[in-house]
Amino acid sequence: QVQLVESGGGVVQPGRSLRLSCAASGFTFSAYAMYWVRQTPGRGLEWVAVISFDGLNKYYADSVKGRFTISRDNSKNTLYLQMDSQRPEDTAVYYCAREQPDKYMDVWGRGTPVTVSS
Amino acid sequence: EIVMTQSPATLSVSPGERATLSCRASQSISSKLAWYQQKPGQAPRLLIYGASTRATGVPARFSGSGSGTEFTLTISSLQSEDFAVYYCQQYNYWWTFGQGTKVEIK
Repeated sequence: QVQLVESGGGVVQPGRSLRLSCAASGFTFSAYAMYWVRQTPGRGLEWVAVISFDGLNKYYADSVKGRFTISRDNSKNTLYLQMDSQRPEDTAVYYCAREQPDKYMDVWGRGTPVTVSS
Repeated sequence: EIVMTQSPATLSVSPGERATLSCRASQSISSKLAWYQQKPGQAPRLLIYGASTRATGVPARFSGSGSGTEFTLTISSLQSEDFAVYYCQQYNYWWTFGQGTKVEIK
């Protein structure tokens, strides 16, 4: 069945880096654009980044632009989120999600928690 | 940024009753609206896209309506598994979510 599994979350100090991964299975990963979305109790659900099916086009929320980098390896069916210069407000559960052609998110992973704290 | 506002924040409903959830966009989003259900510790699950189209496997008791700036999710007869938090999301211009409506047992 279609599945997305995130990994790589944890506790990181402010200013440090972390890389999240999202392993996809059960569908042709290389045919779909993919998202990262995060969730906090205070700010709710927030779109973070999106990457086209071929990795050529990438877009970021203003809150992470210049600090986060989305990428993908279609040969490994894996999506990544490189998070640099992390801030306490980056603390959240991070989800990866698949995009349907009309630009909505139809399948989500279970999420990986990230805590930015000294 | 398009702001999505959901009401009410909490809805107390008895099993078998009808639940009506509202979502308002700060500007017109045509029918570019999705509804998601989220249970504790789980990822959001797509219920509705295009404002009114049920996703694969979603029971017929879930229905969506609206266009422009006003949208509604209706659960015709609440089952025990439907008690959860529901989010609306617009995808007309980037992507933004409402703050959620918690449907709880009355």
